[in-house]
Amino acid sequence: NAGVTQTPKFQVLKTGQSMTLQCAQDMNHEYMSWYRQDPGMGLRLIHYSVGAGITDQGEVPNGYNVSRSTTEDFPLRLLSAAPSQTSVYFCASRLTGGNEKLFFGSGTQLSVL
Amino acid sequence: GQQLNQSPQSMFIQEGEDVSMNCTSSSIFNTWLWYKQDPGEGPVLLIALYKAGELTSNGRLTAQFGITRKDSFLNISASIPSDVGIYFCAGQLNRDDKIIFGKGTRLHILP
Repeated sequence: NAGVTQTPKFQVLKTGQSMTLQCAQDMNHEYMSWYRQDPGMGLRLIHYSVGAGITDQGEVPNGYNVSRSTTEDFPLRLLSAAPSQTSVYFCASRLTGGNEKLFFGSGTQLSVL
Repeated sequence: GQQLNQSPQSMFIQEGEDVSMNCTSSSIFNTWLWYKQDPGEGPVLLIALYKAGELTSNGRLTAQFGITRKDSFLNISASIPSDVGIYFCAGQLNRDDKIIFGKGTRLHILP
């Protein structure tokens, strides 16, 4: 098992550019989520999904879109990147049914100039 | 919305010392979690707590779920260099619900 795989590891964007952060897991986890980590702010939940076809907003959803067409993949889209979106992004997944152990990817470091 | 406040924000301790950190919430959680993040990695689950008053250990780590369900603490005994990292508390209201994280406590260990 590869676990939770995030790509790319590093990305630099110009303001206004769009891009998609990829996340894939091979553990058949129903629940997937995206967090951003900023200095002094901890991990803040952006969007999450409890299964294919279902997504919901977290604490800081503005500026981000997600979709969940398959169980394995949960891409995060930035339609028009802003400097405030410079951050480290983590994808995490877990089983549902009362299992709270989140498995995290190794992160994507995004800089928006 | 739900917020978790962790303290202290950072700690500098000598190797071998015990460490204590805590987490308080503005609202009730029914599950409390403690994660550790090593540099350049994603967080990893250390301890999960499910009942108010519960005290759980994992090696040198001990965590407690507060009676009010609005707080939790984590103790690390006899710290070693590999304990360096960021420790996050996290809360979950109901099973299968989203998991909310605190801002973290950064632990530094002096030689």
